[in-house]
Amino acid sequence: AQSVTQLDSQVPVFEEAPVELRCNYSSSVSVYLFWYVQYPNQGLQLLLKYLSGSTLVKGINGFEAEFNKSQTSFHLRKPSVHISDTAEYFCAVSVTGGFKTIFGAGTRLFVKA
Amino acid sequence: DVKVTQSSRYLVKRTGEKVFLECVQDMDHENMFWYRQDPGLGLRLIYFSYDVKMKEKGDIPEGYSVSREKKERFSLILESASTNQTSMYLCASSRPGTETQYFGPGTRLLVL
Repeated sequence: AQSVTQLDSQVPVFEEAPVELRCNYSSSVSVYLFWYVQYPNQGLQLLLKYLSGSTLVKGINGFEAEFNKSQTSFHLRKPSVHISDTAEYFCAVSVTGGFKTIFGAGTRLFVKA
Repeated sequence: DVKVTQSSRYLVKRTGEKVFLECVQDMDHENMFWYRQDPGLGLRLIYFSYDVKMKEKGDIPEGYSVSREKKERFSLILESASTNQTSMYLCASSRPGTETQYFGPGTRLLVL
């Protein structure tokens, strides 16, 4: 079975500072990895995904994530955050060819002025 | 753009009532999903469907049922609502092989 652990439930950060949201997963088979973002009172939308190939994945709004197979991690980073990045971020994993996606518990990012 | 719509943004129901949550997608996706979202627990899969009239239980199906009579519509039914079903309900759809899920805005259900 697969599982996803988001290591921080809340991350406060000042505007224009860098941020890293941490995600570890476990799986005995090949997986796809995702980061989704949920702005207040909205559904989730895809930020970026890793399916194969380059381990550094770039997404929307200046976010990027690096797949590290040896450490089973997929941490999300942004070099300089904005107030508008305040949201909840979900790491997710799905088995290649499978139907189900397993979501982490979420990390609330608070960007302060 | 893919659009997934949910019939209500907010819903208040009484314990024991039968509750219908509707989800419609306009991109001809085969796969559709129902999740509930609770603080600190992330999203948990209730049911999913990979074709019309096909359904599979997710991780927490107890107290719920689903219906998929048309490809674009996936309904979640709470047969007899209970207070522990107070939650945010999210519908999603995807095309097989792409893995990306597209979400609706969610329905916040309060059961009194």
